Amino acid sequence: NAGVTQTPKFRILKIGQSMTLQCAQDMNHNYMYWYRQDPGMGLKLIYYSVGAGITDKGEVPNGYNVSRSTTEDFPLRLELAAPSQTSVYFCASSYEGGSYEQYFGPGTRLTVT
Amino acid sequence: QKEVEQDPGPLSVPEGAIVSLNCTYSNSAFQYFMWYRQYSRKGPELLMYTYSSGNKEDGRFTAQVDKSSKYISLFIRDSQPSDSATYLCAMKGTNAGKSTFGDGTTLTVKP
Repeated sequence: NAGVTQTPKFRILKIGQSMTLQCAQDMNHNYMYWYRQDPGMGLKLIYYSVGAGITDKGEVPNGYNVSRSTTEDFPLRLELAAPSQTSVYFCASSYEGGSYEQYFGPGTRLTVT
Repeated sequence: QKEVEQDPGPLSVPEGAIVSLNCTYSNSAFQYFMWYRQYSRKGPELLMYTYSSGNKEDGRFTAQVDKSSKYISLFIRDSQPSDSATYLCAMKGTNAGKSTFGDGTTLTVKP
């Protein structure tokens, strides 16, 4: 199993550009999450999904959108990128809501200039 | 006030030292208490978890939960340079899919 994969690894965006961060998992997990991690800080939840077709906002959803058309994929869309969105983005998955363990991808480092 | 507060660090200790990492929380509904380890430029990985109160030991690592004080700790015995990483505490309720993370403590173990 590849686990949770994320692409790209690195990206530099200009202010106002848009992009999609890709996330896929091959563990047949129902729950998927997007976090951002700013330098020296913990993980802030952006959006999460409890299954295909169902998504919900986390604590910092502004400026982002998600969709979940399949169990495997959970892309994160940035519209009109701003310098405040410079961060490392992690995707994670877990089997079900009661599961305590989340499996994380390797992250995408995004710089907006 | 944040739901989860983690001792900020950073911590720098000599090899062989005992390390104590700590978090406090305010939400009484939390039942699962996790410690994730994150190496530089990598995603977090689950190190240990505890359900409800008590202690759990795994090799050189011991996780403690005191629900009456809303306080959790991770102890590392005989610390090694390979333990150098950021440690994140995380907590969740029984059925909630979401975990709440602390801000992390960066540990450096010097040879």
